[in-house]
Amino acid sequence: SQQGEEDPQALSIQEGENATMNCSYKTSINNLQWYRQNSGRGLVHLILIRSNEREKHSGRLRVTLDTSKKSSSLLITASRAADTASYFCADARQLTFGSGTQLTVLP
Amino acid sequence: DTGVSQDPRHKITKRGQNVTFRCDPISEHNRLYWYRQTLGQGPEFLTYFQNEAQLEKSRLLSDRFSAERPKGSFSTLEIQRTEQGDSAMYLCASSLVVGGVPEAFFGQGTRLTVV
Repeated sequence: SQQGEEDPQALSIQEGENATMNCSYKTSINNLQWYRQNSGRGLVHLILIRSNEREKHSGRLRVTLDTSKKSSSLLITASRAADTASYFCADARQLTFGSGTQLTVLP
Repeated sequence: DTGVSQDPRHKITKRGQNVTFRCDPISEHNRLYWYRQTLGQGPEFLTYFQNEAQLEKSRLLSDRFSAERPKGSFSTLEIQRTEQGDSAMYLCASSLVVGGVPEAFFGQGTRLTVV
């Protein structure tokens, strides 16, 4: 299935530091989306990167896509305590999710 | 339109009872998804609809689970003869698929507790 697996499972950093999360697929991926989920809430769409794009920026977010390595990364720069959440990647077509990365940003 | 709406937000039921959850998608969205999520895990895909057609239902967890979207608008997810293992958050999402890449919007979920 087109299920991404995020890595690491958990990440704890200090406010102001950058956070990098990775997503890998066993099968080929095309367009890929990243989502964020605060505890006990629904998922919020962060950014879409298309298969013909290698890098995309949105505010403090930077996403890369390497279709040959079947992987993507999400970088959050200058992290804030409010960035504490779980982050998921998903194939944009099938919208299946992995277990996510739990990011904790310490004030 | 304020987004994807799910009802109820919380449901406590006794084991063996049937429960039904409702999802109202964003009004012009033609695709609707259902997921189950347990603590510490990502959303587990259950089924999805394109308008009123259920295009994927093999991932439904058992024959106790069923979903409908009779008029291509709101959808219901029913769990019959609930078991304690059904306790989870049930999420609904919708998207507009018109040739391009859909961005899915999620509801806040229905938290089910089976006692």
